Amino acid sequence: QVKLLQSGAALVKPGASVKMSCKASGYTFTDYWVSWVKQSHGKSLEWIGEIYPNSGATNFNEKFKGKATLTVDKSTSTAYMELSRLTSEDSAIYYCTRCRRGTVLYWYFDFWGPGTMVTVSS
Amino acid sequence: DIQMTQSPSSLSASLGDRVTITCRASQDIGNYLTWFQQKPGKSPRRMIYGATNLEDGVPSRFSGSRSGSDYSLTISSLESEDVADYHCLQSIQYPNTFGAGTKLELK
Repeated sequence: QVKLLQSGAALVKPGASVKMSCKASGYTFTDYWVSWVKQSHGKSLEWIGEIYPNSGATNFNEKFKGKATLTVDKSTSTAYMELSRLTSEDSAIYYCTRCRRGTVLYWYFDFWGPGTMVTVSS
Repeated sequence: DIQMTQSPSSLSASLGDRVTITCRASQDIGNYLTWFQQKPGKSPRRMIYGATNLEDGVPSRFSGSRSGSDYSLTISSLESEDVADYHCLQSIQYPNTFGAGTKLELK
């Protein structure tokens, strides 16, 4: 069965960086883009960007360029997101989800990880 | 960016009520519209994909429809387990964009 397992909660200081992980299992990791989604204030969702494990290609929301760095380790089927120069505005839950881009919409955002809570505080 | 205007932002309804949530797209998104349900402390759960297709295992009281640039999620007869936040997402254009969400509560 498909699973996306995310790393645990992080408490980080302002100005620091945090790197979180999303380990995939139960499917061919290189066939799907891995997207990252931010949820602030317990309600609204924002699409941060995505990475294609097969090539390392990325697409970003302009808002998060310079803030988020996406990488993958194909050997462990794990995607990573690093957030830099953290401020209180980065305190949120971050989800990973998968998507197989194309015309078959069945493969869009069907599985999600449990989320990683990031708290930025001194 | 494509704006997804979701309404209402909150909704209070009684058990058995018919409930409709709508997202209006600022540009043509075809059927690249997904609906998610999210309960407190949980990840989003896909309910509808391709605007009108019911996710496997989702009760048939849920349905998705499209009229022009308006996309709707309807619950034909509200049950207590449907209390949750609901989100729409367009994925035809980068950046993919979500609606602001709808909080569905019991009256």
